[in-house]
Amino acid sequence: AQSVAQPEDQVNVAEGNPLTVKCTYSVSGNPYLFWYVQYPNRGLQFLLKYITGDNLVKGSYGFEAEFNKSQTSFHLKKPSALVSDSALYFCAVRDGLTGGGNKLTFGTGTQLKVEL
Amino acid sequence: DAGVIQSPRHEVTEMGQEVTLRCKPISGHNSLFWYRQTMMRGLELLIYFNNNVPIDDSGMPEDRFSAKMPNASFSTLKIQPSEPRDSAVYFCASSFDRGGQPQHFGDGTRLSIL
Repeated sequence: AQSVAQPEDQVNVAEGNPLTVKCTYSVSGNPYLFWYVQYPNRGLQFLLKYITGDNLVKGSYGFEAEFNKSQTSFHLKKPSALVSDSALYFCAVRDGLTGGGNKLTFGTGTQLKVEL
Repeated sequence: DAGVIQSPRHEVTEMGQEVTLRCKPISGHNSLFWYRQTMMRGLELLIYFNNNVPIDDSGMPEDRFSAKMPNASFSTLKIQPSEPRDSAVYFCASSFDRGGQPQHFGDGTRLSIL
């Protein structure tokens, strides 16, 4: 079975400061890891993914994430937060060994609030 | 390119009525997913299809829920009869099943059952 944990329901950060949204995962095989963002009244939007290769993955809107196999983590980061980054962020995992349609397991989401 | 298209965007109906939600996936995608999002339960996978065939419907809450995918460009999620506890935002997502491709989500249908 695969699972994802996002330990923080909400993260508050001042504009211009770095931000981190935490995610840990559990899978049987090699993980495929994803981050999504959801703005109010919108669907989830894909930000970035880790499949293989460099542990630091760069994505949309200046976001990046670091894959850490020993800690089974995939934290989302951004060097300088913007008020417009305020949204709900989801981490998701897929076991790379399983087949059948890219089924993902999503975390419970972390609300990011960036304040002036 | 057009994204995943869902209709209607909003639906308000009385309990006991039949509700049909529609989804047009991205052209060329061969996997389709139906999710439900509520404050209490978060994001739940209801069912997913691969090459128009239902693969896993273990998330479908009750027999009142059914989903079909008659062809690669259309899917429906039906609730009959509807109940107030079915009120939620329902999302459809699609992806291409190769190499860890991401799912792409529609903007959802906000369903209110009175």
